Amino acid sequence: KAGVTQTPRYLIKTRGQQVTLSCSPISGHRSVSWYQQTPGQGLQFLFEYFSETQRNKGNFPGRFSGRQFSNSRSEMNVSTLELGDSALYLCASSLRGALATEAFFGQGTRLTVV
Amino acid sequence: DQQVKQNSPSLSVQEGRISILNCDYTNSMFDYFLWYKKYPAEGPTFLISISSIKDKNEDGRFTVFLNKSAKHLSLHIVPSQPGDSAVYFCAARPARNSGGSNYKLTFGKGTLLTVNP
Repeated sequence: KAGVTQTPRYLIKTRGQQVTLSCSPISGHRSVSWYQQTPGQGLQFLFEYFSETQRNKGNFPGRFSGRQFSNSRSEMNVSTLELGDSALYLCASSLRGALATEAFFGQGTRLTVV
Repeated sequence: DQQVKQNSPSLSVQEGRISILNCDYTNSMFDYFLWYKKYPAEGPTFLISISSIKDKNEDGRFTVFLNKSAKHLSLHIVPSQPGDSAVYFCAARPARNSGGSNYKLTFGKGTLLTVNP
């Protein structure tokens, strides 16, 4: 069974640009959550999608958005990039989202904003 | 507002000894707790979990203890091995009948464990 796949693995963008990250969950999983990891801040929750609907959202500005497709694949978009957006972006899939006993993470996308 | 706190950014232990990683939480709505391990350049992997109806869960060398009255949990690794060197994240989620914005996994900032040979 394939794991959670995130693409691309690494990305370098300049300030003001926008970026789209992709996450393919484990087959059969309907929930995809996105997290931002920065040094010293742990994993900060961005949002969760379940069956194409955003079910929950963290405390991030509106520049961060996402969507989920009918095949459960999810994309995350960040517009007007800032230097502080440099981070490891992780997605996690689970069968039922927060009801699940565990979530499975992808390897992440390392975004560097210069 | 840090609802899940791991107050030790790092911990160093000798191979074969016990590693104890601690985690405190403030939200009384949390009723399920998880530990994840993360190696550099990889995503976190699930390690062990515990429900609030239990005070201990054991899986091989890993044991998680939960003290609900103190809102504290700990992960014990015995014996510690060099391959255990990683960042360990504590996470918590609310009860199934809660809803709204609390319906997510909340993570601590992590503790870097180094096991020296």
